[in-house]
Amino acid sequence: QVQLVQSGAEVKKPGASVKVSCKASGYTFTGYYMHWVRQAPGQGLEWMGRINPNSGGTNYAQKFQGRVTMTRDTSISTAYMELSRLRSDDTAVYYCARAPLAAAALLFDYWGQGTLVTVSS
Amino acid sequence: QSVLTQPPSASGTPGQRVTISCSGSSSNIGSNYVYWYQQLPGTAPKLLIYRNNQRPSGVPDRFSGSKSGTSASLAISGLRSEDEADYYCAAWDDSLSAFGGGTKLTVL
Repeated sequence: QVQLVQSGAEVKKPGASVKVSCKASGYTFTGYYMHWVRQAPGQGLEWMGRINPNSGGTNYAQKFQGRVTMTRDTSISTAYMELSRLRSDDTAVYYCARAPLAAAALLFDYWGQGTLVTVSS
Repeated sequence: QSVLTQPPSASGTPGQRVTISCSGSSSNIGSNYVYWYQQLPGTAPKLLIYRNNQRPSGVPDRFSGSKSGTSASLAISGLRSEDEADYYCAAWDDSLSAFGGGTKLTVL
């Protein structure tokens, strides 16, 4: 069965970086985009970007350009999202979600369990 | 500020039919598919509707989606207490994804 398992909760200081992993199983990792979506406490969903695990190509939301890096390791079917220069308003649950390799498909049929990142001094 | 506009709240009584709207523009809803997600408290979102009006297997036919021009709607008929959740619309927007701000549905 398809599973996306994310790394555990993180506590970071302002200005630091965080790297969240998302290990995929039960399907062909390179056959689907991996998207990253975050949700601040009590707030809505916010799309951060996506990576094509086959090519490594990425698209990032303008808001995160220059601060976010999405990578993958196809040998272990794992996607990564690194966010740098953390601020307190980056405190959120970060989700990975897979979607078909169609350009505008937001068909997120499987999601990770979420990773809480807390930014606090 | 979300690119897609949803009402912050909606409510209904058991058995009623409720609709949740999602308003966008020509660069998102007007030219791309709309998706709907349901999020129960403390859980990851769940795909409810894809490509405007398609239901994934396992989603009851009480849930339906529609799209007209630059707006879309999610309808829930035969409302149940377990439908109480947050609902989000989503659409691709000029090379980036856009989510609506979400609608909290309360079953009275």
